[in-house]
Amino acid sequence: LAKTTQPVSMDSYEGQEVNITCSHNNIATNDYITWYQQFPSQGPRFIIQGYKTKVTNEVASLFIPADRKSSTLSLPRVSLSDTAVYYCLVGGVYNFNKFYFGSGTKLNVKP
Amino acid sequence: DAGVTQSPTHLIKTRGQQVTLRCSPKSGHDTVSWYQQALGQGPQFIFQYYEEEERQRGNFPDRFSGHQFPNYSSELNVNALLLGDSALYLCASSPALGDRASFNYGYTFGSGTRLTVV
Repeated sequence: LAKTTQPVSMDSYEGQEVNITCSHNNIATNDYITWYQQFPSQGPRFIIQGYKTKVTNEVASLFIPADRKSSTLSLPRVSLSDTAVYYCLVGGVYNFNKFYFGSGTKLNVKP
Repeated sequence: DAGVTQSPTHLIKTRGQQVTLRCSPKSGHDTVSWYQQALGQGPQFIFQYYEEEERQRGNFPDRFSGHQFPNYSSELNVNALLLGDSALYLCASSPALGDRASFNYGYTFGSGTRLTVV
């Protein structure tokens, strides 16, 4: 099972772009990379998922280098409401999955 | 379209008692996973159910057991509660194996059940 490593916390200001990097050196060939956002006392919310290169949706971008040993979640122009814990997970999608969460990155957006 | 529904939202139990938590998956999903999240920690995988059978299990003792019903809903049972079982219990659902293309949207989590053991 791929273990992930993320920074414990990050600070940013409203309107800035935030990049959170996750290391997953032991990622397997059939593993996808998924990012979740979690607010206190709520369940994690899916943000974005990718396998390689770059994926973009309406809320974030995910950059994955060719060796796939790391990934970077990019949040454009953050607001106070983006203050949350962000988790990076890796796991296969073509079998029964048991995603393992790390401790996540606590993003604190300041006014 | 309803997402994942968990009940109850909050629960207080006494050490040694038993508890049952319930989860209804998102419409169209038939696989249910359970997670335990202690305060300040990331969610820890407990087990996963598909076709009414436990398919995967994390590092949790046998006091933690589950069940999945024909309508895909699921229960998590914890026996002989310990103070350390106090946590937010999360249920997550995912789409059918035969529809893996839609898995690109990841798991859908419920809001959880806050269990306090006193």
